[in-house]
Formats: sequence, structure tokens, C-alpha cells
Amino acid sequence: NAGVTQTPKFQVLKTGQSMTLQCAQDMNHEYMSWYRQDPGMGLRLIHYSVGAGITDQGEVPNGYNVSRSTTEDFPLRLLSAAPSQTSVYFCASSYSSGPFSGNTIYFGEGSWLTVV
Amino acid sequence: KNEVEQSPQNLTAQEGEFITINCSYSVGISALHWLQQHPGGGIVSLFMLSSGKKKHGRLIATINIQEKHSSLHITASHPRDSAVYICAVPGRDDKIIFGKGTRLHILP
Repeated sequence: NAGVTQTPKFQVLKTGQSMTLQCAQDMNHEYMSWYRQDPGMGLRLIHYSVGAGITDQGEVPNGYNVSRSTTEDFPLRLLSAAPSQTSVYFCASSYSSGPFSGNTIYFGEGSWLTVV
Repeated sequence: KNEVEQSPQNLTAQEGEFITINCSYSVGISALHWLQQHPGGGIVSLFMLSSGKKKHGRLIATINIQEKHSSLHITASHPRDSAVYICAVPGRDDKIIFGKGTRLHILP
């Protein structure tokens, strides 16, 4: 049981490049989400999904795209990277719709992204 | 006003001290999470509680729903407890609201 697997762990991008952060979970969780963590800001929600085929925007969705074609995978795409997207990104999942339905939140190990 | 406020922002203590980290929130909630983030980034869930108190080893979490306040206590603190502790509550539409975290440093 691998939990939440997030790749890559480190990435350097040039401004304007695109890339995809991968997130996969093997716990059959319906709820998956992406956050970015910046110094002094705490975790901010980018996009989330309550099940396959369903996605919605969070607090800071601009410049990011997601899809949820399967229960297991929830990739985050940076369409045209900007220095403001330099951050640490976390994927998280929990069972059932909504992490407060009595369910634990599981996080990936994080992805450190630098845009130069 | 942030919907989740944690205090203190930073805390340095000597090994063995009793530690208290506070979390106040302004929204009505069904449950609250305490998370731990070690240097290097990994985030793990410590507790989820909706009432009363939970204990796991040297960690104790309490919540007062009426006062919209939760505390995380660490007894007999140890340098390995050094981490950022984050509380989180549900927002609208299945979204989670995170506090900015409390950075704890335990000196040997």
C-alpha cells in the first residue's frame, strides 16, 4: 500500500515551459486535492476533486489545470510556468467525499518547483 | 480576519517541557485536523477530532466546539518533536482551511 505518490520531487522550469505534476493514490479515495505552500502563507488549495470526472477550483487556480479521469490519478498541469509559481506543491487525498466525513487526510511527499 | 488562527507562530522550548499550541477558528465545523510537517516537507495527520480530547502517545489534542478553539499539547517534549504543526478545518464546498502553522523547535 503506497498511499499517495507524488512526482517529481524536484523540478526546475524555465518561464513559459509547461509540465505536469503527477499524483496517484491506491486507497480508493474519492477526494483528491492539490495545494501550494509558500513561506508565511500556509497551504492554499489550487484544485480539488470529489470523484472521477469531477473537478473544481480552489483558492488559487489560475495558471493550473487538472483532470480526474480515474479514481487513482489526479495530475496537476502548469500551462505556462511563471516565477510566481515557484513553490512547494502537495497532493492530498481522503476517503469519501470531503475530508471531514470522519476521514484522515493523506498527503504526498511534496514537489519542490522552481521557475526561473 | 483569517478563518483559522494559530498561536504561537514560533515556539522554542527545552527538551522535557510541556508544549501547548492553540488553534482558533471562526467557522462552524464538524471536525478539526491537526497535522505535523517535519523539515524536508512531509505532512502527516496526527488527529481528527470533533469533540473532547484525543491522546496518542505524548500528544494530546482537545477541542471546545462552543468556543471554537482547539489545543495540541506535547508532554515531555523531545528534539524529534521539532516540526511545524498545522490545524485545519472544513470550509465551504468540501474545501479545507489551513492555519499558517506553528514552528516548534525543541532544544536538547
